Amino acid sequence: DTEVTQTPKHLVMGMTNKKSLKCEQHMGHRAMYWYKQKAKKPPELMFVYSYEKLSINESVPSRFSPECPNSSLLNLHLHALQPEDSALYLCASSPLFLRQATDTQYFGPGTRLTVL
Amino acid sequence: EDQVTQSPEALRLQEGESSSLNCSYTVSGLRGLFWYRQDPGKGPEFLFTLYSAGEEKEKERLKATLTKKESFLHITAPKPEDSATYLCAVQAGGFQKLVFGTGTRLLVSP
Repeated sequence: DTEVTQTPKHLVMGMTNKKSLKCEQHMGHRAMYWYKQKAKKPPELMFVYSYEKLSINESVPSRFSPECPNSSLLNLHLHALQPEDSALYLCASSPLFLRQATDTQYFGPGTRLTVL
Repeated sequence: EDQVTQSPEALRLQEGESSSLNCSYTVSGLRGLFWYRQDPGKGPEFLFTLYSAGEEKEKERLKATLTKKESFLHITAPKPEDSATYLCAVQAGGFQKLVFGTGTRLLVSP
């Protein structure tokens, strides 16, 4: 089973709202990722958690705040977003077997975010 | 700088008309090349990982191949349900970073 789940599927929020996106995997993967994807563009990496610690932050604005409560869960807290932040937000996970040469990422279905 | 280029940008096929999608890459130290399928508004679905030149992998009507400079995704006798965007990505020096191409939008007409 290579399933990553994300909630909610759709989210509409105002620029003053605070909301959170959630991601879960039960594959025993030790790396989890947040991506942002605009229409007709490839996914853009935002954050990576490895063994529940933030290992990569791609200079994302502070209005996006990631959290990894445990090895199966990943949250993205949103606050004071701008309309240009409207996009499909994707979560992914990977095994992170350090002795292997590569690490395959499996994506969730995404959360469609609209900021009004 | 690692780069991935996919061609064509869009491809329209008749059902049963076989074709190939191209993914050209320039990276220093390829760890792996990945193919994903993405339906509109959905997350990318993993298809294949290729590790070294000469490697081939198959799944139903899809076959992925890898050389030292490019990868091909061959689609044999496609069906309308194969319509999607196909993304190619490479993993190089940054172990957890994928460098994506811009994708090929495939439309298969009945």
